[in-house]
Amino acid sequence: AQSVAQPEDQVNVAEGNPLTVKCTYSVSGNPYLFWYVQYPNRGLQFLLKYITGDNLVKGSYGFEAEFNKSQTSFHLKKPSALVSDSALYFCAVRDRGVNRDDKIIFGKGTRLHILP
Amino acid sequence: SAVISQKPSRDICQRGTSLTIQCQVDSQVTMMFWYRQQPGQSLTLIATANQGSEATYESGFVIDKFPISRPNLTFSTLTVSNMSPEDSSIYLCSVPGPGLEAYNEQFFGPGTRLTVL
Repeated sequence: AQSVAQPEDQVNVAEGNPLTVKCTYSVSGNPYLFWYVQYPNRGLQFLLKYITGDNLVKGSYGFEAEFNKSQTSFHLKKPSALVSDSALYFCAVRDRGVNRDDKIIFGKGTRLHILP
Repeated sequence: SAVISQKPSRDICQRGTSLTIQCQVDSQVTMMFWYRQQPGQSLTLIATANQGSEATYESGFVIDKFPISRPNLTFSTLTVSNMSPEDSSIYLCSVPGPGLEAYNEQFFGPGTRLTVL
């Protein structure tokens, strides 16, 4: 079965510094990978995805993620963190069912704290 | 992107009772998903609701506990039956993105925060 792992429960970064939120994956076949963000008291929002093509994927709010096949990683990055980036971030992978009914499997989440 | 609303946004319920959560989408979609997010945990898929067929439940979730209705292409309900404190969670519905390009992007409702006493 497909899965993703987020090794860090929490990441603290000073405002203005670069940030990285880590994700590794385990899939059979070609991976479809995603990042979602959950702001306090709000639903999940899609940030970006990797399906094919360039290993560096750009998404919303200045975020990007780098797909690394050899390391089976899909880390989320941003060059300069903002306090408003403080939220819960989920890495996710598509799990294709027997009948091609796709599901999204989420990691446990990483809470990002940007310190002013 | 789809605009998704959920009702109620939150509720506090007594154990043994049932709560029905509504999910409304501003566009027609074939598939809708129901997730549970327990406190401090990730999202867990409860079931997939296709219009015109029975919902497909994930391992650990059964229809008697979480009956789902899907009367049309823009609406679904999830009922949490015979509730216990362990059912205290945020319940979210989601739909796939429009078209093949965005199909694997899911759009989520704001969630229903349920507390069972």
